[in-house]
Amino acid sequence: AQSVTQLDSHVSVSEGTPVLLRCNYSSSYSPSLFWYVQHPNKGLQLLLKYTSAATLVKGINGFEAEFKKSETSFHLTKPSAHMSDAAEYFCVVSAGPNSGNTPLVFGKGTRLSVIA
Amino acid sequence: DSGVTQTPKHLITATGQRVTLRCSPRSGDLSVYWYQQSLDQGLQFLIQYYNGEERAKGNILERFSAQQFPDLHSELNLSSLELGDSALYFCASSVPGQGGGYTFGSGTRLTVV
Repeated sequence: AQSVTQLDSHVSVSEGTPVLLRCNYSSSYSPSLFWYVQHPNKGLQLLLKYTSAATLVKGINGFEAEFKKSETSFHLTKPSAHMSDAAEYFCVVSAGPNSGNTPLVFGKGTRLSVIA
Repeated sequence: DSGVTQTPKHLITATGQRVTLRCSPRSGDLSVYWYQQSLDQGLQFLIQYYNGEERAKGNILERFSAQQFPDLHSELNLSSLELGDSALYFCASSVPGQGGGYTFGSGTRLTVV
């Protein structure tokens, strides 16, 4: 079965410093991977997705992630954190090979705090 | 507005009661998914419908059921409610095929008292 492991439950950074949220995946198929963000009392917003095209994926708000098959990783990065980035981040894998028609499997989430 | 509409936004009900949550998918999306988000379990997949048919089942309790109607909207029915059913329930819809996107609604917060 497909799964993702988010290696940190909480990450705290200072405003203006880089962000790194770590995610490892396990998949029997060539995976489709996603990062979603959830701000307090809000819904889930797609940050970016990897679907076997370029291994470096650029998303919204300056975030990007790199798919590394040899390391089974899909870490999320941002060069400079902003106060508005404080939120819960979820690494997600598609449960089957047919992305867009199979359920998503969510990691447990990483809470990002940004300190002024 | 994501294009996926969930109603109601908030629901407070008593133990033992039954409630219905509604989801209208994004225009053109045939798949609808239901998820439950709770503090202890995180985001759990409940059930998927595709064009009116059940496609996949996750950790859905027998007290819960869902259906998708001909106009593609979906309803999640929760019965014999328990305190532990208090959670945020999300609906998502998707476009099939590689690279298909998943769009989430803003959720229904259910509180069982």
